[in-house]
Amino acid sequence: EIVMTQSPATLSVSPGERATLSCRASQSISSNLAWYQQKPGQAPRLLIYGASTRATGIPARFSGSGSGTEFTLTISSLQSEDFAVYYCQQYKNWPLTFGQGTKVEIK
Amino acid sequence: EVQLLDSGGGLVQPGGSLRLSCAVSGFTFSSHAMSWVRQAPGKGLEWVSVISGRGGTTYYADSVKGRFSISRDNSKNTLFLQMNSLRAEDTAVYYCAKDRSEWDLHFDYWGQGTLVTVSS
Repeated sequence: EIVMTQSPATLSVSPGERATLSCRASQSISSNLAWYQQKPGQAPRLLIYGASTRATGIPARFSGSGSGTEFTLTISSLQSEDFAVYYCQQYKNWPLTFGQGTKVEIK
Repeated sequence: EVQLLDSGGGLVQPGGSLRLSCAVSGFTFSSHAMSWVRQAPGKGLEWVSVISGRGGTTYYADSVKGRFSISRDNSKNTLFLQMNSLRAEDTAVYYCAKDRSEWDLHFDYWGQGTLVTVSS
């Protein structure tokens, strides 16, 4: 099983600042990585797939990068609606696995 | 508009069974793989199972293999998850999730979730 490790567990950021979230895979997954955003009481929302392609309707302030085992989600200028939990997910191998999540909170 | 409506959750005793449903609309159901993903209270996301568009291919997480069964009825645009021999650790919100394409294995639309509680 590929283990996905996200860091940090919690990120405190002020509105308008940049947020950088990391995701590491225990073995190479090429670019088979997705990022999701989840707000309390809601289902996850797909942000990024293929490590760097924004999903339909996702604002340009969200960007993804990386390949192999190291990946980054960057939110260039945090808006109030961006405070949430973010998960990465690999789809290279079975079973599909998620990271444990990074909570982005208001500083 | 794409819609996924999960249902069938509830309280069940350990060892019991439950069948979840996910009724979909707004896209060509048979052209997309579908998955179930669960989330235990206060925890992260765990993928449970996937089924191909025509239903011929399925995969399961080891934690549910042999106890859960995924299926679909393309004539009724509905996805199912039959859960048997339920354990306390199966307690979670269960989401159905639509594959972004035919077999991309990441998910662009999700249901609202249905809560399954396994407790005596």
